[in-house]
Amino acid sequence: GAVVSQHPSWVICKSGTSVKIECRSLDFQATTMFWYRQFPKQSLMLMATSNEGSKATYEQGVEKDKFLINHASLTLSTLTVTSAHPEDSSFYICSAFSPTGDQETQYFGPGTRLLVL
Amino acid sequence: AQSVTQLDSQVPVFEEAPVELRCNYSSSVSVYLFWYVQYPNQGLQLLLKYLSGSTLVESINGFEAEFNKSQTSFHLRKPSVHISDTAEYFCAVSNSGGYQKVTFGIGTKLQVIP
Repeated sequence: GAVVSQHPSWVICKSGTSVKIECRSLDFQATTMFWYRQFPKQSLMLMATSNEGSKATYEQGVEKDKFLINHASLTLSTLTVTSAHPEDSSFYICSAFSPTGDQETQYFGPGTRLLVL
Repeated sequence: AQSVTQLDSQVPVFEEAPVELRCNYSSSVSVYLFWYVQYPNQGLQLLLKYLSGSTLVESINGFEAEFNKSQTSFHLRKPSVHISDTAEYFCAVSNSGGYQKVTFGIGTKLQVIP
């Protein structure tokens, strides 16, 4: 089956620093990846759609200058939280469609837990 | 715009008892429906999905869900739960067609009591 990995699995950082989260499709190429954020006891909220070789598409209310997305290759998308603050602490999850799988199922990474002190 | 409502934030149930997790959706277009499960500190795993055809869909671990278009519902059921079913369950909807983004409900925490 399609496998999506994320690195790191958790990160603690000081307020004002930037944090980069990687999302990799391990056994398939993904032209499109999605980034979600999940606050405690809440659902996943789509932040942006990451497109290989082009700019990401951000959802309404998501600051693109704060959450930088780079999809430089068909197997890697990165999310950089710039100048992180405590309110950015959350669980960040990426997902991708597999071109060899069905067109309806997204495969999710295990998530990255970010804690900003 | 689409939305998903999961009415129950938490559902406690005794082991081997039946359970139903409720999900209602709203959409002005044809939809696909999904149930995902999330175990603690893990990502989401697809449990089952409805695309078209038979309105009753089943998972390999005994869960089933029925698409009811008139009631705009997609409730998840299991006749006999196990301790290992304790997890967060998310109902989700997307437009029909491939590679669509998905809207999730708030989730229902299923707590199976021994």
